[in-house]
Parts: sequence; C-alpha cells; structure tokens
Amino acid sequence: ILNVEQSPQSLHVQEGDSTNFTCSFPSSNFYALHWYRWETAKSPEALFVMTLNGDEKKKGRISATLNTKEGYSYLYIKGSQPEDSATYLCAPDRDDKIIFGKGTRLHILP
Amino acid sequence: DAGVTQSPTHLIKTRGQQVTLRCSPKSGHDTVSWYQQALGQGPQFIFQYYEEEERQRGNFPDRFSGHQFPNYSSELNVNALLLGDSALYLCASSALGQGNSEQYFGPGTRLTVT
Repeated sequence: ILNVEQSPQSLHVQEGDSTNFTCSFPSSNFYALHWYRWETAKSPEALFVMTLNGDEKKKGRISATLNTKEGYSYLYIKGSQPEDSATYLCAPDRDDKIIFGKGTRLHILP
Repeated sequence: DAGVTQSPTHLIKTRGQQVTLRCSPKSGHDTVSWYQQALGQGPQFIFQYYEEEERQRGNFPDRFSGHQFPNYSSELNVNALLLGDSALYLCASSALGQGNSEQYFGPGTRLTVT
C-alpha cells in the first residue's frame, strides 16, 4: 500500500510571509508527482506535475521541488496572499494510479 | 472549452438504494478517473476508465462499478448504499492516450446516504 504523508496538516501564515510544506511518499515504482490546490467550494486545480529527480517547477509565487530517491517533495509559497488560502494536495502517480495525501490546509491571516 | 462536468451536484439516498453519478470529461480527454473524498481525508482512488474499460481499480468493493461510453463520458454506480458511502465523489479526466497524466477535476457530486 502506498503511504502518502503531508505535513503539516494545517498551517496559519501571516499575509506577506513565505511558507513551505512537505509531501513524503514511498520512492519505489515512482512515475510522477502531482500537486493540486483545492479551494473551498471549487474543484481541485492542478499546480504541477513533476517526474524527474531534482525537478523544480515554478508558477508565479509558488514553486515545488522533487526528490524521487528519498521520496519527498516541497511546495513553497513566497509572499503569501489571501487567495493562497486553500488545501494543497500532493499525489504521487504509481503504476498510473494516483494516490492522494490528506493535504495541508493553509490559512492566510490578514 | 467546457471543463469537466458532473451531475447531479447533490444527491440524497437511503441505505440499500442504488445511485448513478455522471461525468463528462474535458474536451480532448479520453480517460476518466473517479475518487471518493470523505470528510478530513484526501480523495481516494476508486477506478479509472480508458477506451471504455476499467484500467485501474483502487481498494473499493464490487458495489462500486462504472462504465465509460464511446464519447468518453462515464458513470459511477454504487449498489446497496451504506451510510459510509456518504462523501464527495470527484471525477477527473486526462489525456492518457496522448501520454498526459495531468488530471482536471470536476466540481464533484455530494452524496448523502441516510
């Protein structure tokens, strides 16, 4: 069974501060890692798909890194804004089966 | 370009009943995956359909079945509903035939079993 862990479960960050959180997963049979942002009452939105060890992706103020050998990925948010408040889900893709973590719930404080 | 659509939005059923949920994929996508998201959990993979066949399946009982139609739309059927089946059911589409596993999610169907 693939065990995906995200930490922390919940995070409160002051507007303007930067933050990061972690996704860890078994590194065997790895194919890709997906990050999603899920705002309340909306559909999960794809942020990044990463496949190679050492991959680094960036989208505006959000970036992610991937270490497939040790089985972890970091998501960074620079200069947090209120619109960043959401649940961030990571999902490793193993044998074409995407398994989601429970997510990190990010609250941006004004 | 329509995104992923799901119907109905909300549904209330009684224990023992059967339910059918529907999903239309994003234009150009050929693969549909279904997920169950219970409160406080991440989405749990139910199964994936590609070329009208179940391609992968998660750890769900046979009460959960599905179908994909020639136009790539899909249905999720759940028989003999249990209270524990109450959840948000998400459908996601991707273009597996083009080697792209990036998934686009629909808004979900909220199922309540009483």
